[in-house]
Amino acid sequence: LAKTTQPISMDSYEGQEVNITCSHNNIATNDYITWYQQFPSQGPRFIIQGYKTKVTNEVASLFIPADRKSSTLSLPRVSLSDTAVYYCLVAPVETDKLIFGTGTRLQVFP
Amino acid sequence: DTAVSQTPKYLVTQMGNDKSIKCEQNLGHDTMYWYKQDSKKFLKIMFSYNNKELIINETVPNRFSPKSPDKAHLNLHINSLELGDSAVYFCASSQIGLAGGSTDTQYFGPGTRLTVL
Repeated sequence: LAKTTQPISMDSYEGQEVNITCSHNNIATNDYITWYQQFPSQGPRFIIQGYKTKVTNEVASLFIPADRKSSTLSLPRVSLSDTAVYYCLVAPVETDKLIFGTGTRLQVFP
Repeated sequence: DTAVSQTPKYLVTQMGNDKSIKCEQNLGHDTMYWYKQDSKKFLKIMFSYNNKELIINETVPNRFSPKSPDKAHLNLHINSLELGDSAVYFCASSQIGLAGGSTDTQYFGPGTRLTVL
């Protein structure tokens, strides 16, 4: 399974756009990129998933360059409630075995 | 209305005891999972069941025994508890599991914090 690398932590202020980049240099052709969010004392929650180019939903956008060796989760206009750990996962479509890395701890300040 | 629920939320027990954690999902999903999140916040998969059949069994001590009475329930029984078992245990479910692979969203429960004294 592809290994992912993302910053351990990031700080932001309310109203700012936050971009969290994940590196996955050995991503395979059949791998999908998925981001989960985990609030303190809660289970992870699915945010967004993509294979290539750009995906957008009501919560976030996911940008994936053509070589797919990295991906960027973009959170527009964050609020205090976006303070959480964000996990980037890369897994082949053939498996439902999710491998969570260390994640990025995002702290949003007022 | 809780999609994936776990009981109890907190569990404090002595070493050597046997305990169970229950999980139920009302999403009609076919696959359920157990994950362990340790004190360093690493989240690791332990087991998965699809329609009551064991699919994933990671390197977990055989003191841990999952039981799925029906596809809506996946309970985790732990024998002879050890200090190192202290962690938060999360149950999750997905609609079709392996057939959907990594594109099948997993829905997590609120977690059970187990403390072994």
